[in-house]
Amino acid sequence: EDKVVQSPLSLVVHEGDTVTLNCSYEVTNFRSLLWYKQEKKAPTFLFMLTSSGIEKKSGRLSSILDKKELFSILNITATQTGDSAVYLCADGGSNYKLTFGKGTLLTVNP
Amino acid sequence: DAGITQSPRHKVTETGTPVTLRCHQTENHRYMYWYRQDPGHGLRLIHYSYGVKDTDKGEVSDGYSVSRSKTEDFLLTLESATSSQTSVYFCAISEFLADSYEQYFGPGTRLTVT
Repeated sequence: EDKVVQSPLSLVVHEGDTVTLNCSYEVTNFRSLLWYKQEKKAPTFLFMLTSSGIEKKSGRLSSILDKKELFSILNITATQTGDSAVYLCADGGSNYKLTFGKGTLLTVNP
Repeated sequence: DAGITQSPRHKVTETGTPVTLRCHQTENHRYMYWYRQDPGHGLRLIHYSYGVKDTDKGEVSDGYSVSRSKTEDFLLTLESATSSQTSVYFCAISEFLADSYEQYFGPGTRLTVT
């Protein structure tokens, strides 16, 4: 069965730190991997990755996919307290459905 | 924000009562989904729809039914609510995009079954 595993489950950093969040997946018919940010409300879309080695960037956030090793990372540089959230990754390949990991809870302290 | 609304936003109900949650979209997207989110489990798919009157089960469909009679509305029904169905329910929509299905989420419904 397909599985999406995120690590670490939680992380506490200080403002200004750089963090790397990990997502590994075991899928048989890979199409894409998606990242979402969830504060105390609905998940909001960050990135969709389909090609290996191509970095997606949005401000201080960036993400890259390794299809050979079956993982993706989400980097956040110069973290701010507003980055505190749960970050979710999801496999986007199976019959129009997403399979989510359990998420990484990031806490950024001032 | 994508045009997705959910109603009600909060509901408290008693065990054994029927409950219907509504998801409404204004984006004309083909695909619609219902998830539940619980601590330690993340987001889990309950049911989804790939067109009007076309629905299928997700990984946690027991105790739930859905209906989609028009593109913009997707209803989730708990025929006889149980305490284990206390959760936050999210609706999502998507359309085929770059060989995958980027999903947008509604604001959520917090359901408490007492």
